[in-house]
Amino acid sequence: QQQVKQSPQSLIVQKGGISIINCAYENTAFDYFPWYQQFPGKGPALLIAIRPDVSEKKEGRFTISFNKSAKQFSLHIMDSQPGDSATYFCAASIRVSGGSNYKLTFGKGTLLTVNP
Amino acid sequence: DVKVTQSSRYLVKRTGEKVFLECVQDMDHENMFWYRQDPGLGLRLIYFSYDVKMKEKGDIPEGYSVSREKKERFSLILESASTNQTSMYLCASTLGGNLRVGTWNSPLHFGNGTRLTVT
Repeated sequence: QQQVKQSPQSLIVQKGGISIINCAYENTAFDYFPWYQQFPGKGPALLIAIRPDVSEKKEGRFTISFNKSAKQFSLHIMDSQPGDSATYFCAASIRVSGGSNYKLTFGKGTLLTVNP
Repeated sequence: DVKVTQSSRYLVKRTGEKVFLECVQDMDHENMFWYRQDPGLGLRLIYFSYDVKMKEKGDIPEGYSVSREKKERFSLILESASTNQTSMYLCASTLGGNLRVGTWNSPLHFGNGTRLTVT
């Protein structure tokens, strides 16, 4: 059961364009929404994250837009560069039942290619 | 910098073999996780641990077990490897306590993965 649905599976953008990746969730117990970036041969690394009480978070060229009522959030990459070519994963954090610890559930990933 | 080291980059095993994947972190993190990554399926949580000798099942624990005898080391065990366990395996660690996993206070630090092929 995929608890965080991510689209598209792959995306090709021209240099300077805007890349948009969308995610949706059903479980309202999710309470934090990070995005991870993975380059070939490497493990994923935290890119940007947002709390559910904020509608937008911007860090440089990367912006998360969050719509709590629709249970959707998206990553926008402005002025996309060839160096942004990577796999992007949205994720959602949830408390492990019965405890005070958390775990992350990931989307299926989006392979972004930025052409020069 | 946090370093999460997975003992093998590539591994080839035969069906039915017992397979051990090792992961070591050097930041005294309490939480450790094993994920598998498959094309089109993303990252799926197999098992995780919040303390030494503690373990919790993730979303796809069938066919796997784990061991955490020391804080810095978290092992994934395939009791009898099967071809459908051919995958990229990623270990991750993070600070413990009640910090939300994945936040800037407690980001997941991943290793570079072990690509396991079961023939």
